Amino acid sequence: AQSVTQLGSHVSVSEGALVLLRCNYSSSVPPYLFWYVQYPNQGLQLLLKYTSAATLVKGINGFEAEFKKSETSFHLTKPSAHMRDAAEYFCAVSPGGYQKVTFGTGTKLQVIP
Amino acid sequence: DAGITQSPRHKVTETGTPVTLRCHQTENHRYMYWYRQDPGHGLRLIHYSYGVKDTDKGEVSDGYSVSRSKTEDFLLTLESATSSQTSVYFCAISDGEGVNTEAFFGQGTRLTVV
Repeated sequence: AQSVTQLGSHVSVSEGALVLLRCNYSSSVPPYLFWYVQYPNQGLQLLLKYTSAATLVKGINGFEAEFKKSETSFHLTKPSAHMRDAAEYFCAVSPGGYQKVTFGTGTKLQVIP
Repeated sequence: DAGITQSPRHKVTETGTPVTLRCHQTENHRYMYWYRQDPGHGLRLIHYSYGVKDTDKGEVSDGYSVSRSKTEDFLLTLESATSSQTSVYFCAISDGEGVNTEAFFGQGTRLTVV
């Protein structure tokens, strides 16, 4: 079985400040991990994914995430928040091998001017 | 963009009526999913399919049924709609082959039950 836990349903940061969104996973096999972003009134789009090629993964819009096996974590970061980053972010896990993807409950990011 | 089409995009229906939402894909992906999204609850899996006529329940399956008679179509039916089923419904697809395991989402269907 696999699962993800996103710590904090709401996160607020000031414009220009560091963004840190937390995700911890549970998987019985080496996982594939994903971050998705959802802007208001839109569907979800893939931000970045970890597929075991490199532990530090860079995504779109300046976001990156680091896979830490010892901590079972895949936290999402961005050095400097922008107003356009205000959205809901979802972490997800898949064991691959034709298994389904499991999503976390999401974290809403608010960026304060 | 992945070829996923949800229909209808918006629907208002009355309590007690059956409702069917359709998800159509052109990617030939094995997995198809139905989620509902509600404030404070994030994304919750209703049902998913891992092949034609192969489906399984998710965490919030009560009051919903699904069917997949073709690879490309995954139907979600609310057998007798209730106000608690007012939500935004998302369809997603994934393949799970190699490193291409991510899910791709449709644009969503906003359902209001009055």
